[in-house]
Amino acid sequence: AQSVTQLGSHVSVSEGALVLLRCNYSSSVPPYLFWYVQYPNQGLQLLLKYTSAATLVKGINGFEAEFKKSETSFHLTKPSAHMSDAAEYFCAVSALAGYSTLTFGKGTMLLVSP
Amino acid sequence: GAGVSQSPSNKVTEKGKDVELRCDPISGHTALYWYRQSLGQGLEFLIYFQGNSAPDKSGLPSDRFSAERTGGSVSTLTIQRTQQEDSAVYLCASSFMGDTGEYTEAFFGQGTRLTVV
Repeated sequence: AQSVTQLGSHVSVSEGALVLLRCNYSSSVPPYLFWYVQYPNQGLQLLLKYTSAATLVKGINGFEAEFKKSETSFHLTKPSAHMSDAAEYFCAVSALAGYSTLTFGKGTMLLVSP
Repeated sequence: GAGVSQSPSNKVTEKGKDVELRCDPISGHTALYWYRQSLGQGLEFLIYFQGNSAPDKSGLPSDRFSAERTGGSVSTLTIQRTQQEDSAVYLCASSFMGDTGEYTEAFFGQGTRLTVV
């Protein structure tokens, strides 16, 4: 069984500040981990994925995430927030890349103020 | 098309009516998934297709929900006798097997927003 916990349903940052969105997972098998972003009235767009290669994963739009097995974490960071980063972010886990089914966290809404 | 296409984008229906939601996956993607996004439940898996068969339909919430896929392409999710709790955004995704023999990540459509009144 797998589960994902995202700490904080809302995170507020100022433009230019560090973005840190937290994700902890539980998995009985080595996990594949994903971060997706959802803009208003849009589908989910993949930001980055971890599939057992490098533990530090770089994604689109300047985001990156580090897989820490000892902490069962996969936190998402960006050094400097931009107004266009305001969206909802979902962490997800699966046992295999692509299929099997994705188990999603509840999501974190990122708010960016000028 | 370039991405996963879903139709309609919005659907308002009366309680008790049947609805059909359509998904056109990315061409060549053999795997297709349906998810549901609702305020109370977040993102939930509904059903997975490999080709035209559905080896995993464990997420369908009741027997009012069914889905089919034809020609290894288009999929239709049908909800019979809709209830207000069926109101949600229904997301479709697809993926394909890459060179490594594993499936790629899921590519999502923009969803169908279903409102049952």
